[in-house]
Amino acid sequence: GQNIDQPTEMTATEGAIVQINCTYQTSGFNGLFWYQQHAGEAPTFLSYNVLDGLEEKGRFSSFLSRSKGYSYLLLKELQMKDSASYLCAVSSNTDKLIFGTGTRLQVFP
Amino acid sequence: GAVVSQHPSWVICKSGTSVKIECRSLDFQATTMFWYRQFPKQSLMLMATSNEGSKATYEQGVEKDKFLINHASLTLSTLTVTSAHPEDSSFYICSAEGLAGGTDTQYFGPGTRLTVL
Repeated sequence: GQNIDQPTEMTATEGAIVQINCTYQTSGFNGLFWYQQHAGEAPTFLSYNVLDGLEEKGRFSSFLSRSKGYSYLLLKELQMKDSASYLCAVSSNTDKLIFGTGTRLQVFP
Repeated sequence: GAVVSQHPSWVICKSGTSVKIECRSLDFQATTMFWYRQFPKQSLMLMATSNEGSKATYEQGVEKDKFLINHASLTLSTLTVTSAHPEDSSFYICSAEGLAGGTDTQYFGPGTRLTVL
């Protein structure tokens, strides 16, 4: 079966670093995506990993280990505007994305 | 680049009526578009994959006669919710597949909030 797991909620303090984990079990793997979604809005693309290792993009980094079926999104120098849901999604053998339930991150001053 | 629009952004309708939602890729061509539904505090659930010039592929459990999808051109796909009922009230989001970072990436529209009375 297809399964993607993320923590439901996380909290952090402004200026801190937070790591959001994602584990997956899918039939086929063609890459892993992270999206940010603010309440009532559509998801926006953050990162894509298909090979093992770390991809860095400014304050956001994403890591993938295919052998462990594991990824994380690292957010540095947290800002209040980073309060949102973060969705982990896996592309299987087709173009389809399988989404996790999302992690709601709340950043406090 | 890679902007996707949806219209309308919200709609309220009476039970039994039909509602059409448009999804457009504004600055790129998309042979494949996707339609998702999202209930409050839940993740996106794929409803169907829409390919330009061919019939849509529906996910298991999604009624194709109720959710009509037409992908008329490389920049436009429409979803029509026929004979809408209160349980169809949801946030409907489309995405269009474009190229980013060397791979096909889905870019999402802003979503349409449907409320059926």
